Amino acid sequence: AQKITQTQPGMFVQEKEAVTLDCTYDTSDPSYGLFWYKQPSSGEMIFLIYQGSYDQQNATEGRYSLNFQKARKSANLVISASQLGDSAMYFCAMREGGGSYIPTFGRGTSLIVHP
Amino acid sequence: DARVTQTPRHKVTEMGQEVTMRCQPILGHNTVFWYRQTMMQGLELLAYFRNRAPLDDSGMPKDRFSAEMPDATLATLKIQPSEPRDSAVYFCASGYRAGEKLFFGSGTQLSVL
Repeated sequence: AQKITQTQPGMFVQEKEAVTLDCTYDTSDPSYGLFWYKQPSSGEMIFLIYQGSYDQQNATEGRYSLNFQKARKSANLVISASQLGDSAMYFCAMREGGGSYIPTFGRGTSLIVHP
Repeated sequence: DARVTQTPRHKVTEMGQEVTMRCQPILGHNTVFWYRQTMMQGLELLAYFRNRAPLDDSGMPKDRFSAEMPDATLATLKIQPSEPRDSAVYFCASGYRAGEKLFFGSGTQLSVL
């Protein structure tokens, strides 16, 4: 079974608008961490934001916020005030707490920001 | 800024040849990962090291792939013999501690003809 599901292969957004990228996860481990990474056309994966399963508040990092809904097992990334430089692939990842801490990645969502 | 350094950036080789990819993790990081990215399979874990000890290589084809960390500043991924289906981008990533965010290298684009 897929541990991380990103259902949107591609998304389009107008510059300066907000956009939400979906991510659902599957785990029975009470301790886990959720990550979002950005992969621009240059290829290098860049860490954006992290949410721990016990964190009470939704994580925020500048224009990025993570909408964490634990009961629904969703960890959507919200990008506010989109910029042309936000055009990239976005990957959701989860690591479980059971000792190995190996991150598993979703298939990614391609985001294109239109001027 | 500290970076994960991968070499080579691009490699074109013929089927049957040996391929060696190298990675210099960020100094002080104690976890190192090798991932392979393809359109069909996405990002697949190949190998995971913690404090230079191999902890997981279950995703790696053992008959042709091998991963090592001869010292804390070098991780290697070897394919021998290479096959066309090995064509992919291979990423190395390191982390300060297990479970924390990863820093990725720029990847090695491998084409096996």
